[in-house]
Amino acid sequence: ETGVTQSPTHLIKTRGQQVTLRCSSQSGHNTVSWYQQALGQGPQFIFQYYREEENGRGNFPPRFSGLQFPNYSSELNVNALELDDSALYLCASSSKITQGAYNEQFFGPGTRLTVL
Amino acid sequence: EDQVTQSPEALRLQEGESSSLNCSYTVSGLRGLFWYRQDPGKGPEFLFTLYSAGEEKEKERLKATLTKKESFLHITAPKPEDSATYLCAVQEFVYSSASKIIFGSGTRLSIRP
Repeated sequence: ETGVTQSPTHLIKTRGQQVTLRCSSQSGHNTVSWYQQALGQGPQFIFQYYREEENGRGNFPPRFSGLQFPNYSSELNVNALELDDSALYLCASSSKITQGAYNEQFFGPGTRLTVL
Repeated sequence: EDQVTQSPEALRLQEGESSSLNCSYTVSGLRGLFWYRQDPGKGPEFLFTLYSAGEEKEKERLKATLTKKESFLHITAPKPEDSATYLCAVQEFVYSSASKIIFGSGTRLSIRP
């Protein structure tokens, strides 16, 4: 059983550029969530995808968007990068168990994004 | 406003010195509370899930408990390898089949040999 993988590991962009981060879910999981973690803070929920549809969103602007593919892998896209977007971006996969409830999430190692 | 607050922010213990970490929450429609361990530069590692008040889970030197307003992570006779940031997260029912996960800021635990 493979775990959650993310690519790339590190990324450096300049303000105003666009970036795409990728995530492969753990085998058997149908839900993927994305988080932003600033240094010294807990992860902040960006959004969650279930069966290729957005299924919950945190307080992030529309320039943060995502996709989930039929194989349950996922992308996080961020447009018009700002300096404050510099953070560790985490992907987590899980399985839905009931209406509005999911099993524990398993996290990938993250992508460290630096915006200059 | 929905909140998850962890205390203390940082805790330094001597090896073998037991203690507890606290996670208090104010959310409606709780669907589960999770504890994670995070080492520097890595993604969080799942420890426990608690669903209802009174529930307890144990794993090695760690024990998690849940009440209606807070959760505790008790660490018994810790070792230096238990040093990490411990994160608490709450899953909140939002609508239909959607949910929202709210993390606390974590407790940085350091165990001195």
